[in-house]
Amino acid sequence: EADIYQTPRYLVIGTGKKITLECSQTMGHDKMYWYQQDPGMELHLIHYSYGVNSTEKGDLSSESTVSRIRTEHFPLTLESARPSHTSQYLCASMGSANTEAFFGQGTRLTVV
Amino acid sequence: DAKTTQPTSMDCAEGRAANLPCNHSTISGNEYVYWYRQIHSQGPQYIIHGLKNNETNEMASLIITEDRKSSTLILPHATLRDTAVYYCIVRAKETSGSRLTFGEGTQLTVNP
Repeated sequence: EADIYQTPRYLVIGTGKKITLECSQTMGHDKMYWYQQDPGMELHLIHYSYGVNSTEKGDLSSESTVSRIRTEHFPLTLESARPSHTSQYLCASMGSANTEAFFGQGTRLTVV
Repeated sequence: DAKTTQPTSMDCAEGRAANLPCNHSTISGNEYVYWYRQIHSQGPQYIIHGLKNNETNEMASLIITEDRKSSTLILPHATLRDTAVYYCIVRAKETSGSRLTFGEGTQLTVNP
């Protein structure tokens, strides 16, 4: 059973609000990832991290930002939410063996 | 990471073997073939990976051609719960900085 958690599972928020999506893992994994996925569409990598104090942008440009102050925690922040940010956000982690990535349950964000 | 090509969709009868192909003609010597699947809109789930030898686990078998330019994921007795999008990824295991990206995958539908 994967020990990676995302909160909240569902979020409906008004335009212009600041939000933070939480992702935590208890496996001590150094690599963590954020993906954005619309229903029936491809998974797009938006941010990733190799370890503490390391963050990189992914393949899909995103207005969100991330931080990695602790190994187990990789939050994603939107300073000013817009309806175009409505999507599912999935967090994943992978250990140093680079064998298997574990995914959280996802956060479904709706901006109204 | 090498690019992969998969069929957009496939159908399979329940109880029969599902054979999902993947082409990766530009694969490098140190790159592994990984398979994940995503059921509905849950986070992707790791299935199996291999370098050059055929691999089998409790979920599936992976057959890699001798020239390593293509592979086939085999679900020996497909069930309705195997309906999902299946992703073939080629990635260097030892490259800690390698991002983890998913293509469009193959939508497998298992029919009763």
